Amino acid sequence: TQLLEQSPQFLSIQEGENLTVYCNSSSVFSSLQWYRQEPGEGPVLLVTVVTGGEVKKLKRLTFQFGDARKDSSLHITAAQPGDTGLYLCAGVLGQGAQKLVFGQGTRLTINP
Amino acid sequence: DVKVTQSSRYLVKRTGEKVFLECVQDMDHENMFWYRQDPGLGLRLIYFSYDVKMKEKGDIPEGYSVSREKKERFSLILESASTNQTSMYLCASRPQATDTQYFGPGTRLTVL
Repeated sequence: TQLLEQSPQFLSIQEGENLTVYCNSSSVFSSLQWYRQEPGEGPVLLVTVVTGGEVKKLKRLTFQFGDARKDSSLHITAAQPGDTGLYLCAGVLGQGAQKLVFGQGTRLTINP
Repeated sequence: DVKVTQSSRYLVKRTGEKVFLECVQDMDHENMFWYRQDPGLGLRLIYFSYDVKMKEKGDIPEGYSVSREKKERFSLILESASTNQTSMYLCASRPQATDTQYFGPGTRLTVL
């Protein structure tokens, strides 16, 4: 069983559409991170959310941490082909924890 | 810029061979990690190290060992490679004060 459930696992949409990716757990995380991974590369950190209810924006990407710190979402507005990639959420369990727990990933394809 | 390098981008080995995957980071990070990445499973932690000569088992250590003789280098060893170890292997490093991990480009290992 996956500690962090990410959905959907695959998403293919047209340029200009909006989308939301979800990351859910029954566990409470001290913080949650979103990474993007492009083909042939390792994941790169996009954002870290720390406080329950926190919302962070990165241009057309909006990240939200659930009030109970068990879930998170990534919303992309007016998606562009450059947004194509694998999006991974990762949670930190407990303060000072050494390990990240990763979701399965969402493979996003934006068609021109 | 943090740089994490991995010794090979692609590797093909035969069943039963001993395989060494090398990872080097240039930012004096205390913590280093080895993950494997498989479709639908996300990233799974194999081993991590929080200091020279120190190592901790991750979630899937069976069939693997690690070595950290110098701070900048963390090696993953497959004592006797098997076909179910065919995967993408990602190395990451993390400074002590943050939860952000910096990933290398990955090694795609195929065991025939």
